[in-house]
Amino acid sequence: GNSVTQMEGPVTLSEEAFLTINCTYTATGYPSLFWYVQYPGEGLQLLLKATKADDKGSNKGFEATYRKETTSFHLEKGSVQVSDSAVYFCALRSYNQGGKLIFGQGTELSVKP
Amino acid sequence: GAVVSQHPSRVICKSGTSVKIECRSLDFQATTMFWYRQFPKQSLMLMATSNEGSKATYEQGVEKDKFLINHASLTLSTLTVTSAHPEDSSFYICSALQLWREADTQYFGPGTRLTVL
Repeated sequence: GNSVTQMEGPVTLSEEAFLTINCTYTATGYPSLFWYVQYPGEGLQLLLKATKADDKGSNKGFEATYRKETTSFHLEKGSVQVSDSAVYFCALRSYNQGGKLIFGQGTELSVKP
Repeated sequence: GAVVSQHPSRVICKSGTSVKIECRSLDFQATTMFWYRQFPKQSLMLMATSNEGSKATYEQGVEKDKFLINHASLTLSTLTVTSAHPEDSSFYICSALQLWREADTQYFGPGTRLTVL
């Protein structure tokens, strides 16, 4: 079945460091891929998405490229800020599952000043 | 952007009582809403998919008689936790799919923290 695997956290970085959170997926067909962010005590916010191979989603300095050959959608940011501290979820939406989102386990990011 | 609200944000209730949680899409119509449950430091677990005007589709292992879902309009879905017990304490999050636009993107509410004493 469809699944998403994220790198385990927590990830701790200093401010202005480079961030990579790995995400790989297993799916039939051509799923849409998403990154959501969850700040403490809040629901999820859509960070970025990509709907087809080689698409690059970007938002707020974050970006991720849909790589079908490696079935990956790694999240990157060139210079993180303390305010980026949150839990990041990679997810896919496959049309053969009625539009349901399949989430990775989440990666907690902590950015220190 | 698409805004989804939930009410209440926090609720504390006694064991055996029922609790209703509302999920509203504020600036768009949503034919489909989803209900999730999240335990501390874990991912979201899909409980059910709610389509306007029809019965909800529950995921395996979710008791439909305990978690009643009603999707009466294109902007409102409700989740009622009936005869709540301490093990039902959790963070409940809803999401909605926009009608017509960005049909593949779920927008999430801020969540409801339920504590059952």
